[in-house]
Amino acid sequence: EAGVAQSPRYKIIEKRQSVAFWCNPISGHATLYWYQQILGQGPKLLIQFQNNGVVDDSQLPKDRFSAERLKGVDSTLKIQPAKLEDSAVYLCASSTPTGSGNEQFFGPGTRLTVL
Amino acid sequence: SQQGEEDPQALSIQEGENATMNCSYKTSINNLQWYRQNSGRGLVHLILIRSNEREKHSGRLRVTLDTSKKSSSLLITASRAADTASYFCATDGGFRGLSFGAGTTVTVRA
Repeated sequence: EAGVAQSPRYKIIEKRQSVAFWCNPISGHATLYWYQQILGQGPKLLIQFQNNGVVDDSQLPKDRFSAERLKGVDSTLKIQPAKLEDSAVYLCASSTPTGSGNEQFFGPGTRLTVL
Repeated sequence: SQQGEEDPQALSIQEGENATMNCSYKTSINNLQWYRQNSGRGLVHLILIRSNEREKHSGRLRVTLDTSKKSSSLLITASRAADTASYFCATDGGFRGLSFGAGTTVTVRA
């Protein structure tokens, strides 16, 4: 079974530029998450999709971050304009509800550096 | 905001020794999960314990959960060099994504 795919793996941009990340979840997983992990911290949920609808985006800085999941499969996360404090690893995860709980499968992440 | 808090922040042990780390959280949960993150890589799910369970085992891992104290512990027995990683507890409140702690960095010395 293929895992969660993310691209690019690394991105370096200057502040005020825009950037987009792409995620392809595990086939059949209805739920997709984007997390932000700042160095030395645990991941923080940015947005959760159920199919192509948003379930929770309460921690997404909506003035600069946006995300979409067209057709309920792939997803993109965009930052425009980027700030220095956006430097982090952006993790995508997917899951499918099971009887055992909400185990999430994570992609390798995109490491963003904002200069 | 991050709900879980791990203790200690860092742990260094000799190969073959056991490693124990603790997690405390603040609100009610459906389940609690532990994840491992190797340097520069994504998170890997280790074990999930439901709110009505007190102890769970998986290979060399043992997890306990005390909902009255809102705390959990992860024990890794007979540690190996490959266990060197950061370990995160994550709480699942039901309908939202996971709330992660800041993690415990474990170094296993050969």
